[in-house]
Amino acid sequence: GENVEQHPSTLSVQEGDSAVIKCTYSDSASNYFPWYKQELGKRPQLIIDIRSNVGEKKDQRIAVTLNKTAKHFSLHITETQPEDSAVYFCAASIGFQKLVFGTGTRLLVSP
Amino acid sequence: KAGVTQTPRYLIKTRGQQVTLSCSPISGHRSVSWYQQTPGQGLQFLFEYFSETQRNKGNFPGRFSGRQFSNSRSEMNVSTLELGDSALYLCASRVGNSPLHFGNGTRLTVT
Repeated sequence: GENVEQHPSTLSVQEGDSAVIKCTYSDSASNYFPWYKQELGKRPQLIIDIRSNVGEKKDQRIAVTLNKTAKHFSLHITETQPEDSAVYFCAASIGFQKLVFGTGTRLLVSP
Repeated sequence: KAGVTQTPRYLIKTRGQQVTLSCSPISGHRSVSWYQQTPGQGLQFLFEYFSETQRNKGNFPGRFSGRQFSNSRSEMNVSTLELGDSALYLCASRVGNSPLHFGNGTRLTVT
């Protein structure tokens, strides 16, 4: 079955810096890759997603890139702010069912 | 529009007991999925229901079961509770090929 690896597990940056989180997946049939942000004690919230027919997608300070050949995708956050501090999860699935999640990255943005 | 609603928010049970968790999806969402979140294993897929039928199932023992009603509300049952079942149980709903929207979860503690 699908396996998703996520790195790093912890990431500390200064406010205004960029942050990059990387994920790799094993099943070449996977075609949907969402990213979720989970603040302490709260539910995971979708921040951006990408489908396999697209190589890059941006939404303001957030972007996701996908390399289908290498089977990896990355989340890029520019101009980080303290409110970006949270745990970020990548996921992969075939279609939109049965998401397989990475192990999460704890991002800490220091003022 | 109301989000995904899960009840109860917290539960404390004893080993060997059984528990039922409830989830009301976003209005109009017919697909409901359940995930288990633990510090050690991360977010793991339990099952997905659509139109009262289980469409996908994760790698959990038969003690974990679910169902969906005609109004799309879903319940998850865990029988013969074990200490390792302590976790945050997240319900998520979607419509068509849209992203998953998570509820706030039910935190189950087994003592």
